[in-house]
Amino acid sequence: DAKTTQPPSMDCAEGRAANLPCNHSTISGNEYVYWYRQIHSQGPQYIIHGLKNNETNEMASLIITEDRKSSTLILPHATLRDTAVYYCIVARDNNAGNMLTFGGGTRLMVKP
Amino acid sequence: EAGVAQSPRYKIIEKRQSVAFWCNPISGHATLYWYQQILGQGPKLLIQFQNNGVVDDSQLPKDRFSAERLKGVDSTLKIQPAKLEDSAVYLCASSLVGRGRSYEQYFGPGTRLTVT
Repeated sequence: DAKTTQPPSMDCAEGRAANLPCNHSTISGNEYVYWYRQIHSQGPQYIIHGLKNNETNEMASLIITEDRKSSTLILPHATLRDTAVYYCIVARDNNAGNMLTFGGGTRLMVKP
Repeated sequence: EAGVAQSPRYKIIEKRQSVAFWCNPISGHATLYWYQQILGQGPKLLIQFQNNGVVDDSQLPKDRFSAERLKGVDSTLKIQPAKLEDSAVYLCASSLVGRGRSYEQYFGPGTRLTVT
């Protein structure tokens, strides 16, 4: 599976949009981009995923560049509860699910 | 809907002892995963099951780790004998299964293992 590169840490002011970048220049055509987050002492939580098109759900938006070599996760109005480590992962399905390879992630600190 | 259940939540053992972790996935989820998360790192996949069969266990240290999902629902991960470097949080996750689609994984709270 393709590897991803994320900044190790970012800060964001409460109420502002948090834009988390991810590079995945070696992504293959059948690989999805997934975002998970992990709040301290909890298991990871699924946020959103996409293949080619931009996606939006109740938690976030995912913007994937046309060449699919990078993406951005957008939390539109960050709250203190969004403080977590955010993982960008590229993975393909193996017909039984998908095997996620977590990197170091981006530690997002939302400040009052 | 109940989430992924894991027990125990915490376990402290001495090196060379044995330990087992239990996971109950979300009802109807055919695929189950075990991950190891060492402090300060992202989770590392150990094994993937679909129903009661192993899909991939290439990253499972088979000399000391074993896992089973005999009836295709609950799963047990065992370490025997434990080493100091096995100290970590062991996470279980489950997902639906399908062809040509992607499914999100739902994670349990994890079992924190300390080997002394």
